[in-house]
Amino acid sequence: AQKVTQAQTEISVVEKEDVTLDCVYETRDTTYYLFWYKQPPSGELVFLIRRNSFDEQNEISGRYSWNFQKSTSSFNFTITASQVVDSAVYFCALRQETSGSRLTFGEGTQLTVNP
Amino acid sequence: EAGVAQSPRYKIIEKRQSVAFWCNPISGHATLYWYQQILGQGPKLLIQFQNNGVVDDSQLPKDRFSAERLKGVDSTLKIQPAKLEDSAVYLCASSTYRRAGYTFGSGTRLTVV
Repeated sequence: AQKVTQAQTEISVVEKEDVTLDCVYETRDTTYYLFWYKQPPSGELVFLIRRNSFDEQNEISGRYSWNFQKSTSSFNFTITASQVVDSAVYFCALRQETSGSRLTFGEGTQLTVNP
Repeated sequence: EAGVAQSPRYKIIEKRQSVAFWCNPISGHATLYWYQQILGQGPKLLIQFQNNGVVDDSQLPKDRFSAERLKGVDSTLKIQPAKLEDSAVYLCASSTYRRAGYTFGSGTRLTVV
């Protein structure tokens, strides 16, 4: 069975603070992919990153960084120096090789960045 | 490139009525998905098409939901009859065959009253 848990339902920070969104996953596959998506109030899901299970290198893209640790089955997402435009719901998702292209999403974390 | 187009953007219907949603994927994308996102939850896959064939419909409530993808391009998702619990955002997405990431549309927000 595959499962994604985002324990933080809501996070509220003040602009310029750093914030980390947690994601824990469960899978029996050895080959899998992990994703983060952003869903602003307009509703569309915006792709942020994809990671495969064989690449544990951390990644940084501007103010965004991701920490993938297979030992703890976690794929956490950090926003440095948060901005009001970062306010959105963020989803972590898992795709197992044995499940075809199906994405299993977590419940999402609502991030609010206050000015 | 143009994104995934969906219509209508919003729809309000009474329970037991029927409703249909339309999706036009990105040109050349062979794989098309319909996801249901209930308020406060993550999206859940309803059905996946590869060209005009169904690949995965294991989570589609087939007694009331149906979907088709004629000619391997546009797709329609139908609910008949609708129930209150069908109130959700219906998201369409598409991808190239080998690509692991999707492009999502803006969704159709359905309210069943």
